[in-house]
Amino acid sequence: QKEVEQDPGPLSVPEGAIVSLNCTYSNSAFQYFMWYRQYSRKGPELLMYTYSSGNKEDGRFTAQVDKSSKYISLFIRDSQPSDSATYLCAMSGMDSNYQLIWGAGTKLIIKP
Amino acid sequence: DTEVTQTPKHLVMGMTNKKSLKCEQHMGHRAMYWYKQKAKKPPELMFVYSYEKLSINESVPSRFSPECPNSSLLNLHLHALQPEDSALYLCASSQGLAGKDTQYFGPGTRLTVL
Repeated sequence: QKEVEQDPGPLSVPEGAIVSLNCTYSNSAFQYFMWYRQYSRKGPELLMYTYSSGNKEDGRFTAQVDKSSKYISLFIRDSQPSDSATYLCAMSGMDSNYQLIWGAGTKLIIKP
Repeated sequence: DTEVTQTPKHLVMGMTNKKSLKCEQHMGHRAMYWYKQKAKKPPELMFVYSYEKLSINESVPSRFSPECPNSSLLNLHLHALQPEDSALYLCASSQGLAGKDTQYFGPGTRLTVL
């Protein structure tokens, strides 16, 4: 079993829809949770960073962390074709020596 | 400014060549990283420098040789690579330890080994 599970997709939704992306993890020691967006042939770009449990909102993006369920989510409201990319979750904690443990990445396609 | 720059953008090399990848950041970050990313896979950590000293080497073959000349620069020297080393090579930096401090990535160097 991988430490971080993420459905690779692709996930295809119409423009304007609310998108929900998720990761589950097995290591309860993870404390720091990140979502990166990666366009084809580009480097990952940090979207959201959350410490411990709770919600964080930034514009059209909301990150949720539920440590009791070992489940994190990224919601994208009013999705745009420019949101089409691969979304990678990453997390870390003392057990990983604070190095990032990555999900596989979900390919998201927003159809105009 | 949260920019990490990498040169070159693309590199094609033969198996007998020697080349170098360069990475630069001016955010005052004290930790810098090299990652390798194959298609449709997440980044794979290769090396970590903390305060200009190599702190993590993830059992990377010796044909990859990192160098940190100063706190802003990171190089990756390549020699006698194999075709399976073709990948996107990403540099990243963070203020301190990854996880506690946000890690910022460069655009990557797309390497093709013939």
